[in-house]
Amino acid sequence: DVVMTQTPPSLSVAIGQSVSISCKSSQSLVYSDGKTYLHWLLQSSGRSPKRLIYQVSNLDSGVPDRFSGTGSQKDFTLKISRVEAKDLGVYYCAQTTHFPYTFGAGTKLELK
Amino acid sequence: VQLVESGGGLVQPGKSLKLSCSASGFTFSSYGMHWIRQAPGKGLDWVAYISSSSGTVYADAVKGRFTISRDNAKNTLYLQLNSLKSEDTAIYYCARRASQDRGFDYWGQGVMVTVSS
Repeated sequence: DVVMTQTPPSLSVAIGQSVSISCKSSQSLVYSDGKTYLHWLLQSSGRSPKRLIYQVSNLDSGVPDRFSGTGSQKDFTLKISRVEAKDLGVYYCAQTTHFPYTFGAGTKLELK
Repeated sequence: VQLVESGGGLVQPGKSLKLSCSASGFTFSSYGMHWIRQAPGKGLDWVAYISSSSGTVYADAVKGRFTISRDNAKNTLYLQLNSLKSEDTAIYYCARRASQDRGFDYWGQGVMVTVSS
């Protein structure tokens, strides 16, 4: 199985600050079609997860451009610029290149 | 797009339960669907996938015990849970497979399954 190592496990941030979350996979996430199926999701408190970014760097509809995703092969980063209160929650990376699909353990973004 | 899970509850170890996920707002038969679970206070754990043509894939932890199925006429996804164990206690989410990018683009609100004597 592909192990997704997500760091840090938690982040304490002030509103307006920028933060980055790392996600490293134990195998390359490049599929046979040449695409990389690494996604980022946010789970706000008490809610179901919501996808923010798909295929490394593509923002879902309605996601502000304060969010950005970068990376390739086995090393990926989610950056949030100018954090707002509504950004708080647990962020997960997920890979859908290899079955079984796997998730990072999550990064909890909290207010400082 | 709306996904609404039902069928959860408290069940004894070794018993069975069947979850449903009612889909609306899209052409259900054209999409693959997933079940993903989250144990209390823990992260996300992929459980099973069914393609639009009803091919299935399971996580090792549930293979042989859980069965994913779909009824396109009823726009409903199912998960049959047999031989339940305490470690199956979790919120179970259904999620749609995004057609272009293999991701989980829409999620239901989840349904709680508690396995305890």
